[in-house]
Amino acid sequence: NAGVTQTPKFQVLKTGQSMTLQCAQDMNHNSMYWYRQDPGMGLRLIYYSASEGTTDKGEVPNGYNVSRLNKREFSLRLESAAPSQTSVYFCASTPGIVGQYFGPGTRLTVT
Amino acid sequence: GEDVEQSLFLSVREGDSSVINCTYTDSSSTYLYWYKQEPGAGLQLLTYIFSNMDMKQDQRLTVLLNKKDKHLSLRIADTQTGDSAIYFCAEIPPGNEKLTFGTGTRLTIIP
Repeated sequence: NAGVTQTPKFQVLKTGQSMTLQCAQDMNHNSMYWYRQDPGMGLRLIYYSASEGTTDKGEVPNGYNVSRLNKREFSLRLESAAPSQTSVYFCASTPGIVGQYFGPGTRLTVT
Repeated sequence: GEDVEQSLFLSVREGDSSVINCTYTDSSSTYLYWYKQEPGAGLQLLTYIFSNMDMKQDQRLTVLLNKKDKHLSLRIADTQTGDSAIYFCAEIPPGNEKLTFGTGTRLTIIP
């Protein structure tokens, strides 16, 4: 049981490049989330998916797209990366009210 | 206020108790959580409390909830070096399945 896994762990992009961050969970959770973490700002929700086939915007969705490929996988895409998207990105999943389980994060730098 | 508020820093001597405080936004929030983030890692759920409880104890951790003042605290007894981390409180406001996080408190242990 690996929990929540994320790839890659680190990534450096040039402004304007695109990339997809991958997330998978093996806990059969319905809900999955993407957050970004910036110094002094806690975690901010980018997008979430309450179930397979549904996605909704969070607090900071601009510049991102998501795909809930199946129950296990929830990917985050940056179509044209900007320096303001330099951050640590976390994926999480939850079975319900008992809390969210987080992946180890992807550290993204956009130059 | 609109934000979940926490002090940014706390230093405690090894063996003493640590008390991390949080003021959340909505007195109707049903579930409140404490997460721990070690350097370079994702968030780990430590404990949660339902709003119909005043206190919850789990080994060295004690959570106190004051709904009237919208105040949540986490007490760590006999603080150890392994407790060094950032601690986040989070709430689920009513009618919302998404977590709202505080900015995190960085706990430093003094030998």
